[in-house]
Amino acid sequence: KNQVEQSPQSLIILEGKNCTLQCNYTVSPFSNLRWYKQDTGRGPVSLTIMTFSENTKSNGRYTATLDADTKQSSLHITASQLSDSASYICVVSSGGSYIPTFGRGTSLIVHP
Amino acid sequence: KAGVTQTPRYLIKTRGQQVTLSCSPISGHRSVSWYQQTPGQGLQFLFEYFSETQRNKGNFPGRFSGRQFSNSRSEMNVSTLELGDSALYLCASSLGERVGGYTFGSGTRLTVV
Repeated sequence: KNQVEQSPQSLIILEGKNCTLQCNYTVSPFSNLRWYKQDTGRGPVSLTIMTFSENTKSNGRYTATLDADTKQSSLHITASQLSDSASYICVVSSGGSYIPTFGRGTSLIVHP
Repeated sequence: KAGVTQTPRYLIKTRGQQVTLSCSPISGHRSVSWYQQTPGQGLQFLFEYFSETQRNKGNFPGRFSGRQFSNSRSEMNVSTLELGDSALYLCASSLGERVGGYTFGSGTRLTVV
């Protein structure tokens, strides 16, 4: 069964600090991995998309890494801001069907 | 340009009723996909439509159905509503490439009482 596990479930950091969120998956065959940011009551917003051949992708202060051999990804947030407080969701799509499997998300709270 | 528009924003229905949700994609986008988000299960894929044809389907019962019109607008229908159908229903649109970017709407909050 295809699964996506995210850790930690929740995280509290101080403004200005860096943090790293983890995503492990068992989706096979692999097509692509996406990270989304979802603010409360809103739809998810895409941060990065990575295919098998990509191991790093940046979007401003967000940097995602992908290790397709160990089936792990991380999302690193640099110099956190209050507006980074949100849920971060890892999504892996399978090759062939391209059906996405979602992680449960990491809830990030940034305190001033 | 306008984003993905979902209507209505909030909806309250009674068990056993049916409901239709609407999604207007970004102009030029030919793919619309639907998702259910609940606190217990998180986000789950319902189905995807591309050029009026269902291209993918998730693991949901037949009570959940959808369609797409020639202008790419899409509707999702849930029949014989159950309490467990209470959720945030999100739609996303894209140009249609398999590894392309998806833009989500703000969702419809459905409450079944």
